[in-house]
Amino acid sequence: RKEVEQDPGPFNVPEGATVAFNCTYSNSASQSFFWYRQDCRKEPKLLMSVYSSGNEDGRFTAQLNRASQYISLLIRDSKLSDSATYLCVPSGFQKLVFGTGTRLLVSP
Amino acid sequence: DAGVIQSPRHEVTEMGQEVTLRCKPISGHNSLFWYRQTMMRGLELLIYFNNNVPIDDSGMPEDRFSAKMPNASFSTLKIQPSEPRDSAVYFCASSLWTGELFFGEGSRLTVL
Repeated sequence: RKEVEQDPGPFNVPEGATVAFNCTYSNSASQSFFWYRQDCRKEPKLLMSVYSSGNEDGRFTAQLNRASQYISLLIRDSKLSDSATYLCVPSGFQKLVFGTGTRLLVSP
Repeated sequence: DAGVIQSPRHEVTEMGQEVTLRCKPISGHNSLFWYRQTMMRGLELLIYFNNNVPIDDSGMPEDRFSAKMPNASFSTLKIQPSEPRDSAVYFCASSLWTGELFFGEGSRLTVL
């Protein structure tokens, strides 16, 4: 099993839609989790950190399910500017291994 | 504040040549990571350092790749000899112990 698995997508959604991605991880010792956003031909940038069961920041909500070893990212009221690739990173003792990312395309 | 600085931003070289990529992490950060990104394999962790010491280099593809961090403000990733399959974007990132990574803009390598 891969350390981190994500559906590569793309997820095609209209503006205003709600969309959710999942990320499964294999290292049960992971304590903290991160969602990064990567725009085309740019570097990844931190979107959200999750240290307990979840985190919410405006339209973005991350939830952690330790029993099933997955973390989800929910985006409400999608904007055109949300189009990007979303990368999941479970932190296992500082070795930060990224998932392949989920591509989101928001259309007018 | 200056972010992570990588150089060169773009490099085109011929197979067999030596390539050296450079990285200056954010001042005060004690962890440094080198990643490689391709369409096929995504973002792969090559090696990371804590306090200038290499901790895990299991992601380094083969002996042609080497990385050094002689001090807290500088790191290099060297490929010798380079091959076409090494073509990728190489990212350097730094962090404090929290694990929140700050990436450089990347070095886009093309090996002909």
